[in-house]
Amino acid sequence: DTGVSQDPRHKITKRGQNVTFRCDPISEHNRLYWYRQTLGQGPEFLTYFQNEAQLEKSRLLSDRFSAERPKGSFSTLEIQRTEQGDSAMYLCASSSRLDAETQYFGPGTRLLVL
Amino acid sequence: GDSVTQMEGPVTLSEEAFLTINCTYTATGYPSLFWYVQYPGEGLQLLLKATKADDKGSNKGFEATYRKETTSFHLEKGSVQVSDSAVYFCAPGGAGNMLTFGGGTRLMVKP
Repeated sequence: DTGVSQDPRHKITKRGQNVTFRCDPISEHNRLYWYRQTLGQGPEFLTYFQNEAQLEKSRLLSDRFSAERPKGSFSTLEIQRTEQGDSAMYLCASSSRLDAETQYFGPGTRLLVL
Repeated sequence: GDSVTQMEGPVTLSEEAFLTINCTYTATGYPSLFWYVQYPGEGLQLLLKATKADDKGSNKGFEATYRKETTSFHLEKGSVQVSDSAVYFCAPGGAGNMLTFGGGTRLMVKP
């Protein structure tokens, strides 16, 4: 049984560059969530999808951030014109139709913006 | 909006000691409640959950009871091991099932 996977696990970039992260949810999970976690803090909700529809976005998700889930399976999170404040762990989670409340997390992508 | 208050860490215990990590929350209605654990450099793992008042969630020796009256969901374990050293997060579910996390409590267990 494969869990949630994320790619890459680590990313180092220079300020101003664009980055894209990928999340593959557990097979047949229809909901997919993105969270951001800064050092020493708990994760903060960014956005979530039900199938391919993006149903909610946090105010944390500035216009430099965009997320997609075009076929209702994997999702991508893109950050344009990265800033040093974007340095964080980006976590993806998914949940199923049968138990929508219980989210299973991936290993995260750690981003460092220099 | 929803919020979570967890006891500040780090909590340092000797192996086989009793563990309590306090968690209180504010939320609309009566959400499901979760504890997640995060080991260094990893994502969050679901530890246990409770879906309604007076429910007790349990897993791997950890327990937590959903207390509606005190809006609390304290985590307990009778005898901790070195391998339990990690950061623990309490989270109520919310609208759209987004989770609201507290700052986490770091547990350090010494042999």
